[in-house]
Amino acid sequence: DGGITQSPKYLFRKEGQNVTLSCEQNLNHDAMYWYRQDPGQGLRLIYYSQIVNDFQKGDIAEGYSVSREKKESFPLTVTSAQKNPTAFYLCASTGTGINTGELFFGEGSRLTVL
Amino acid sequence: GNSVTQMEGPVTLSEEAFLTINCTYTATGYPSLFWYVQYPGEGLQLLLKATKADDKGSNKGFEATYRKETTSFHLEKGSVQVSDSAVYFCALSDNWDYKLSFGAGTTVTVRA
Repeated sequence: DGGITQSPKYLFRKEGQNVTLSCEQNLNHDAMYWYRQDPGQGLRLIYYSQIVNDFQKGDIAEGYSVSREKKESFPLTVTSAQKNPTAFYLCASTGTGINTGELFFGEGSRLTVL
Repeated sequence: GNSVTQMEGPVTLSEEAFLTINCTYTATGYPSLFWYVQYPGEGLQLLLKATKADDKGSNKGFEATYRKETTSFHLEKGSVQVSDSAVYFCALSDNWDYKLSFGAGTTVTVRA
């Protein structure tokens, strides 16, 4: 079945370590997104990519990095520079054109910094 | 810039009660509006959408009407079930750069 797969579902990290969250989609979507979800704050956009080899910062990009070497994949690295990384991270994708704005989400990755 | 403001929760209801979650937005131009739902431990999924003024989106007994004059997109359901317990997000897309702006989310709990 088509969809978005995020891994790992749960991740623990020590302070000072970088971690990479995986996001893969087989929906043939051009655009992919990373959101961060914190209690009571809704979803905040970290990075997004509308095409391979191109990506843009969202509202809270500091301390994060991404790459988009393949259409299907959009990994997110949470670096040691991110001061408060414990959160629920959601990856999403969408096709461009008539369905603009209709995002398909993965099940999320919960990162806890010990 | 674009923004979405939705009713704060949490909201607790009994089964078969009427549910309304208010959502208002600020945007330039003619955005598309969405309601997403997040069940416990899962990602978000699209519940309904409306792409132009006066459109009504509907799905699973939920409805919302795009009101440009009041910049609102309130979500309603006439008779809720326990399975409707979830977090509901109002969202907006300006249709130009494919980004969505989300509200803070409203947690709804339905008790039997």
